Amino acid sequence: GAVVSQHPSRVICKSGTSVKIECRSLDFQATTMFWYRQFPKKSLMLMATSNEGSKATYEQGVEKDKFLINHASLTLSTLTVTSAHPEDSSFYICSARNPGDEQYFGPGTRLTVT
Amino acid sequence: QKEVEQNSGPLSVPEGAIASLNCTYSDRVSQSFFWYRQYSGKSPELIMSIYSNGDKEDGRFTAQLNKASQYVSLLIRDSQPSDSATYLCAPLKAGTALIFGKGTTLSVSS
Repeated sequence: GAVVSQHPSRVICKSGTSVKIECRSLDFQATTMFWYRQFPKKSLMLMATSNEGSKATYEQGVEKDKFLINHASLTLSTLTVTSAHPEDSSFYICSARNPGDEQYFGPGTRLTVT
Repeated sequence: QKEVEQNSGPLSVPEGAIASLNCTYSDRVSQSFFWYRQYSGKSPELIMSIYSNGDKEDGRFTAQLNKASQYVSLLIRDSQPSDSATYLCAPLKAGTALIFGKGTTLSVSS
């Protein structure tokens, strides 16, 4: 399958600080990438759709000013959690869609806000 | 009605048996269907895709799709303990993101 990388894999930050997570599609160009969040023992929840060269589309209930998404190239999307709080602690996973509509997931980033 | 419904399980099968995982979906315009496997603490891994009615086989895995019944299934033959994971069914409408249900937890005992 296709390879999608995420960095960092784990991050611990203090409440009020911002954290940037990078998602890269390594072997195909992805005009569309997605960001999901998963709390323990819960379903994957779609946060936003990231479109190369345009603004992200956020799901209902996801604050666009808190979760900043930038998709500056066909292989890179970034998610910045601004002014993080303990309730933002979660497993953040990106995915990239190939021309065949298959979505491949990155390994995820485990965020802990203290 | 939920978009994707799966029995949360756990589904327990002995090693070597066939595991049968079922999924129903609500949106008739879904065109593509995917099965993902997610190990605890890890991200989902794509294991099968199916686009037309009928069966599709890949190694020990067989996906079955019936669009009229809005039903998709995954059979795992010769189940192994390493198959123990949560299996996520994901129908897709063109131009949209995958939406997941809670998945079915499979436990294969040795």
